[in-house]
Amino acid sequence: SQQGEEDPQALSIQEGENATMNCSYKTSINNLQWYRQNSGRGLVHLILIRSNEREKHSGRLRVTLDTSKKSSSLLITASRAADTASYFCATDSGNTPLVFGKGTRLSVIA
Amino acid sequence: DARVTQTPRHKVTEMGQEVTMRCQPILGHNTVFWYRQTMMQGLELLAYFRNRAPLDDSGMPKDRFSAEMPDATLATLKIQPSEPRDSAVYFCASGLGPVWNTEAFFGQGTRLTVV
Repeated sequence: SQQGEEDPQALSIQEGENATMNCSYKTSINNLQWYRQNSGRGLVHLILIRSNEREKHSGRLRVTLDTSKKSSSLLITASRAADTASYFCATDSGNTPLVFGKGTRLSVIA
Repeated sequence: DARVTQTPRHKVTEMGQEVTMRCQPILGHNTVFWYRQTMMQGLELLAYFRNRAPLDDSGMPKDRFSAEMPDATLATLKIQPSEPRDSAVYFCASGLGPVWNTEAFFGQGTRLTVV
């Protein structure tokens, strides 16, 4: 069963705009990860944020975590056409690792 | 360039046939995951191993699915007998470290079609 649930399901933006995706989860977690999947390919790890962290940056990516609200957000700044992909959050809680949500499909239009 | 290798990439089979999917994890990784991806269910965790020992396969239909790691360089997922509802993309992923804190490296997947 899914632990994380991404929102929105689909997002379409213009190149250069920022893209924000959200993830909500149900139970306490050790950490939360974001992955990206290009069409027809495997998932690629983007960033991991631990439960005691509130914000993390990696290049054009910014991830926040609010454990009180059981939610996380992924911000991609200055988006590019190459950012078009599906983005997944995965939570890690207790003995069950890496339970994925259904993802957000991002389309960046050039 | 270290990567997870899955074979075959595509498989079309008839209902009732046995299907075996193989995965070569990244050398040195001690955690291996099997996932199934469909449009309806998204990514479902089927099973995972640490140091070749199965830790959890509760996500797998036990009557027809089995997952093993004959050695540290090979993980297999078998379906016998296969059914049309098993059609999906099956991903293997490997990682290093505790199961609760593992960044997973995914293979390209095996696209299974059962007709």
